[in-house]
Amino acid sequence: QVHLVQSGAEVKKPGASVKVSCKTSGYTFTLYALHWVRQAPGQRLEWVGWINTGRGNTVSTQKFHDRITITSDTSTSTAYMELSSLKSEDTAVYYCVRAKYTGYDMVGFDDWGQGTLVTVSS
Amino acid sequence: QSALTQPPSASGSPGQSVTISCTGTRSDVGGYNYVSWFQQHPGKVPKLIIFQVTERPSGVPDRFSGSKSGNTASLTVSGLQPEDEADYYCNSYAGGNKWVFGGGTKLTVV
Repeated sequence: QVHLVQSGAEVKKPGASVKVSCKTSGYTFTLYALHWVRQAPGQRLEWVGWINTGRGNTVSTQKFHDRITITSDTSTSTAYMELSSLKSEDTAVYYCVRAKYTGYDMVGFDDWGQGTLVTVSS
Repeated sequence: QSALTQPPSASGSPGQSVTISCTGTRSDVGGYNYVSWFQQHPGKVPKLIIFQVTERPSGVPDRFSGSKSGNTASLTVSGLQPEDEADYYCNSYAGGNKWVFGGGTKLTVV
């Protein structure tokens, strides 16, 4: 059974960085990309970026382009999302999500982690 | 990329049908058949209910169906049940290995 288990809640001050982890199990880590999605309190889902866990290349939305680093560790089947220069607007639940495929085509999102609340407050 | 446009709210009575729209552009919804829908109950993790415009994952009731015409995708919930009350989000591939979500629709079963 597929499991995505994320690290615990974080409280950070503005300007600091946060690193959220997503430990996976139940499938071959390098065969499925992992996305990051965030949801501010009472707000919509927002796609953040994704990592090709087999090759390590990443794509992120231009909004976070210079503040986000997405990495993965194939030895532990774990993905990481680090967001720097935090602002109060970054307060949100951050989800890791396993990509869904039809054949070799990525067609969307499938299994979700439980979410990690990141609170940015002075 | 801009969020896809969804109505903020929708409602229906038990047993009725309701349709939620998701409007994008030819660069996302209109350009690819990679539209998904997610159901999110309060305080819960989103759940995939439709992928590739019309496909249902195993275990999702066939009361949920999807379609697309031009730049607008739609989710129809037939035979509304109280447990269908939730937030619904559409999602689409937007080219360049990027993805975009809709603004979300709160479905109320009155």
